[in-house]
Amino acid sequence: DVKVTQSSRYLVKRTGEKVFLECVQDMDHENMFWYRQDPGLGLRLIYFSYDVKMKEKGDIPEGYSVSREKKERFSLILESASTNQTSMYLCASKPGPLHGELFFGEGSRLTVL
Amino acid sequence: QKEVEQNSGPLSVPEGAIASLNCTYSDRGSQSFFWYRQYSGKSPELIMFIYSNGDKEDGRFTAQLNKASQYVSLLIRDSQPSDSATYLCAVASSGGSYIPTFGRGTSLIVHP
Repeated sequence: DVKVTQSSRYLVKRTGEKVFLECVQDMDHENMFWYRQDPGLGLRLIYFSYDVKMKEKGDIPEGYSVSREKKERFSLILESASTNQTSMYLCASKPGPLHGELFFGEGSRLTVL
Repeated sequence: QKEVEQNSGPLSVPEGAIASLNCTYSDRGSQSFFWYRQYSGKSPELIMFIYSNGDKEDGRFTAQLNKASQYVSLLIRDSQPSDSATYLCAVASSGGSYIPTFGRGTSLIVHP
């Protein structure tokens, strides 16, 4: 089974702090994604990556950056956390560009005070 | 802007009934269609995918696709309380690099 592991299930940070959310997948998937999920707004794509060192902006990239130095690892970075970034963050992966099925991690619930 | 629309619900059905969840999409070039189930506090998990017009059955679940009407549905037969969750519809196309666009989900409540 594909396993997508997010390093932290719950985080509480203060406004202005730098936040790192880590995601690791163990199935050699090419594509990795970061979404945030908020009540009433559904899943919104922040950034995605087709391959190592490649990244593309999603629908809501402002305030976020990403890093993919190794194929299995995709990190989401909040350079200066703000209260409106309080959310559930979901990492996902898929085998390659011709596949649509996503495999999700368990999620990281971030609270910014 | 590609859109995927779902009724937010909640849809309430009695145990043993058929639950019908619906989804419409705006991109006529869409090629892949997915249904995810998400329990409260958990991440989405894939339960069905469909690529061709018609019906696809997997156990108690049936996905129905009508590309002409830009409509995809999920039927859950013999609904159980354990089916109570939010169901997310997702749609992907080659024009979008097969990156799924998600609907906001329909909350299903199956009451005993």
